[in-house]
Amino acid sequence: EAGVTQFPSHSVIEKGQTVTLRCDPISGHDNLYWYRRVMGKEIKFLLHFVKESKQDESGMPNNRFLAERTGGTYSTLKVQPAELEDSGVYFCASSQGHGANVLTFGAGSRLTVL
Amino acid sequence: AQSVTQPDIHITVSEGASLELRCNYSYGATPYLFWYVQSPGQGLQLLLKYFSGDTLVQGIKGFEAEFKRSQSSFNLRKPSVHWSDAAEYFCAVREYGNKLVFGAGTILRVKS
Repeated sequence: EAGVTQFPSHSVIEKGQTVTLRCDPISGHDNLYWYRRVMGKEIKFLLHFVKESKQDESGMPNNRFLAERTGGTYSTLKVQPAELEDSGVYFCASSQGHGANVLTFGAGSRLTVL
Repeated sequence: AQSVTQPDIHITVSEGASLELRCNYSYGATPYLFWYVQSPGQGLQLLLKYFSGDTLVQGIKGFEAEFKRSQSSFNLRKPSVHWSDAAEYFCAVREYGNKLVFGAGTILRVKS
């Protein structure tokens, strides 16, 4: 079984540019989550999709961040325009079904904003 | 809001020595607790979890953790550390909606 795949693994952009991160969850997993770890801080929740619907986006920092999951399969997270404080590692995770279950994480996409 | 504290940012142990990584949480109800590990270049891998039942849980790679409600702790242990255990370890508690709240992480260094 393929795991959670994230692309790109590392992106370096300049302040003001746009970046789109992609996440392919495990096939059949309805739940998809985005998390972020800013340098030296905790891993923080960004948002949760159930299929194509946003279940919880309480962790999204501001309106420069846009997450989509068209068709309920892969998801993208766009940052536009990027700011220096957006630098960090963005993790995607997926899980099956409802209730308390285990999240499987991807390797993360490291974003560096110069 | 729930929180997780990992008081040790860095820990160094000798190969073959025992290991204990501390984790304290704040949560009103019975918590669902997790330990994840991240090796360089890898994603977060689940080591073990506690949902209910036996308070001593066994995980992969020889790790175990003990849930102590009275101390609000979920410490991770391993009797004999291997060089390949060098990584960053994260304790987490599940919040509503299956959202995880993570601690700041503990970096484990193993010296030979």
